[in-house]
Amino acid sequence: NAGVTQTPKFRVLKTGQSMTLLCAQDMNHEYMYWYRQDPGMGLRLIHYSVGEGTTAKGEVPDGYNVSRLKKQNFLLGLESAAPSQTSVYFCASSYYLPGTGKRNTEAFFGQGTRLTVV
Amino acid sequence: DAKTTQPPSMDCAEGRAANLPCNHSTISGNEYVYWYRQIHSQGPQYIIHGLKNNETNEMASLIITEDRKSSTLILPHATLRDTAVYYCIVRVGVMDTGRRALTFGSGTRLQVQP
Repeated sequence: NAGVTQTPKFRVLKTGQSMTLLCAQDMNHEYMYWYRQDPGMGLRLIHYSVGEGTTAKGEVPDGYNVSRLKKQNFLLGLESAAPSQTSVYFCASSYYLPGTGKRNTEAFFGQGTRLTVV
Repeated sequence: DAKTTQPPSMDCAEGRAANLPCNHSTISGNEYVYWYRQIHSQGPQYIIHGLKNNETNEMASLIITEDRKSSTLILPHATLRDTAVYYCIVRVGVMDTGRRALTFGSGTRLQVQP
């Protein structure tokens, strides 16, 4: 049980290049999230997904796209990278157990992807 | 989700209790108080959460005032490994609201001193 795994861990991009960050979770969680964290600041939500095939915008979605084709994977894409997207990106997942009355208690985070755009 | 206010930094001596305050004066009745921490740029880690009763687990205790406008996270015997940024987050706990993600502020940077 690896939890939440992010790849790659580090990446340097040139302005205008594109890339995809992969988040994989093996906990069968319904919900997945992408956050970014800039130096000295808290995490800000980019996009999230409440289930396979569904995505929604978070607080700072511009310049990013996401896809959730498989329940265990949540991809974050940068179509044309900009220096303002230099940040540490965190993926998270959380669960919901329908019919049990249990509520989402905690989110599990990956170890982050450090992206530099030059 | 209600906003929270935390001191930017705190120090604590190793072995002593660390008491981290959080103000959430606009909290509504169906909102929970969550605490996460982030150790040296790792992914945030869940600590504890509560609605109105005090809660305790193997990591910490959460004390919520009777009016629910503030809370305190208590690490009973702080160690050097507890040095981290601690985030107090208020959010709705029920899953049908459509608002599920956590909103992080700047948190409190706790430095445990040897």
